Amino acid sequence: DTAVSQTPKYLVTQMGNDKSIKCEQNLGHDTMYWYKQDSKKFLKIMFSYNNKELIINETVPNRFSPKSPDKAHLNLHINSLELGDSAVYFCASSPQTDFSYNEQFFGPGTRLTVL
Amino acid sequence: GQNIDQPTEMTATEGAIVQINCTYQTSGFNGLFWYQQHAGEAPTFLSYNVLDGLEEKGRFSSFLSRSKGYSYLLLKELQMKDSASYLCAVLDSNYQLIWGAGTKLIIKP
Repeated sequence: DTAVSQTPKYLVTQMGNDKSIKCEQNLGHDTMYWYKQDSKKFLKIMFSYNNKELIINETVPNRFSPKSPDKAHLNLHINSLELGDSAVYFCASSPQTDFSYNEQFFGPGTRLTVL
Repeated sequence: GQNIDQPTEMTATEGAIVQINCTYQTSGFNGLFWYQQHAGEAPTFLSYNVLDGLEEKGRFSSFLSRSKGYSYLLLKELQMKDSASYLCAVLDSNYQLIWGAGTKLIIKP
């Protein structure tokens, strides 16, 4: 059973297109996250949702819009894709909002390439 | 600003011991995590330290000194499968995780 799943695993698209990445967790966790890992391997948090409510929204372009239909799902929609959006996007979940001793479980990642 | 420093790359021999260091400067501290990430895969949790001292978990141990802003991950009896990147991350005063860029560990036979 997959704990945190993401689709698609690979996404290749043209500049200017709009695309979505889906994430689902079956761990019963309250909090879900989106991370971006660029070519320098830094993991940067983009968004965090707790029980379908946004709790962290780092400085990301408003072309990125997260949507959480329920606490098991957190999707990421990206409008007007740019070359600099090429990266691996990881979804993660954790049991609670407070990170203390709060192990995060990561999805397999979505490698987005913008041409 | 917030900063986490780790060596970019380290090489070690199968069966040996390696220590990966991490120094941090963050606004507040609520714990330090180590994650392992194999190439092309997601990070997986290794350890969490919030008090000073050494935490041992099988072949892996993690040490923390809060006064020095320093941690290390110690890997013993290295195996080829330990070849991976090791990410240090600190929970700041706002409970946000600040990630280091990771240390790529190469194990040679």
